[in-house]
Amino acid sequence: AIQLTQSPSFLSASVGDRVTITCRASQGISSALAWYQQRPGKAPNLLIYDASNLKSGVPSRFSGSESGTEFTLTINSLQPEDFATYYCQHFNTNSPLTFGGGTKVEI
Amino acid sequence: EVQVVESGGGLIQRGGSLTLSCAASGFAVASNFMTWVRQAPGKGLECVSLLYSGGDTYYTDSVKGRFTISRDNSQNTLYLQMNSLRAEDTAVYYCAKMTRGYGSAIPFYYYYHIDVWGKGATVTVSS
Repeated sequence: AIQLTQSPSFLSASVGDRVTITCRASQGISSALAWYQQRPGKAPNLLIYDASNLKSGVPSRFSGSESGTEFTLTINSLQPEDFATYYCQHFNTNSPLTFGGGTKVEI
Repeated sequence: EVQVVESGGGLIQRGGSLTLSCAASGFAVASNFMTWVRQAPGKGLECVSLLYSGGDTYYTDSVKGRFTISRDNSQNTLYLQMNSLRAEDTAVYYCAKMTRGYGSAIPFYYYYHIDVWGKGATVTVSS
């Protein structure tokens, strides 16, 4: 089964900062990776799919990129509402639905 | 509106049984990959079970033999029957719909992600 390793687990940042979160897949997954944001007490919300495609309605300060099996979520100019936990996710019909361990972005 | 609404959570004693329901609207449960994702207090997301549109199922190892995922097409509802509950099953259980798209890179592949989440049902197993 494919495993996703997210780093860091915790990230301390300030409003206006540029933040980068990494997700490394245990094997090649093409670009089939999604990113979610989860605020406390709420269900996750899709941000990016297929590694770099921004979901409609998501602010453009969020972006995704990839290099081989390493995927990156970048938040430019962090806003107060961006303080949350972020998860990467992969699935294909040969491997279970898998999430990264999460990255909590704190003030 | 496309949405799913969970019900059936609650406080249950260790060893007990509980069934979660997930009522869908705006789409057909039978035509989509549906999943139950749980989140233990203070922990990350874990796929507990998945029901493929063709009827195949997936269970994470820790629930195999104890949980059963199913659907009622006439009610457009997904279920998760949970037996022999353990303290470690305590979590918020999210019902979710997956979507598939054509990948943008070459060679050809599909990507999958969750595009509809419920608000979650809390299951607390007391010891």
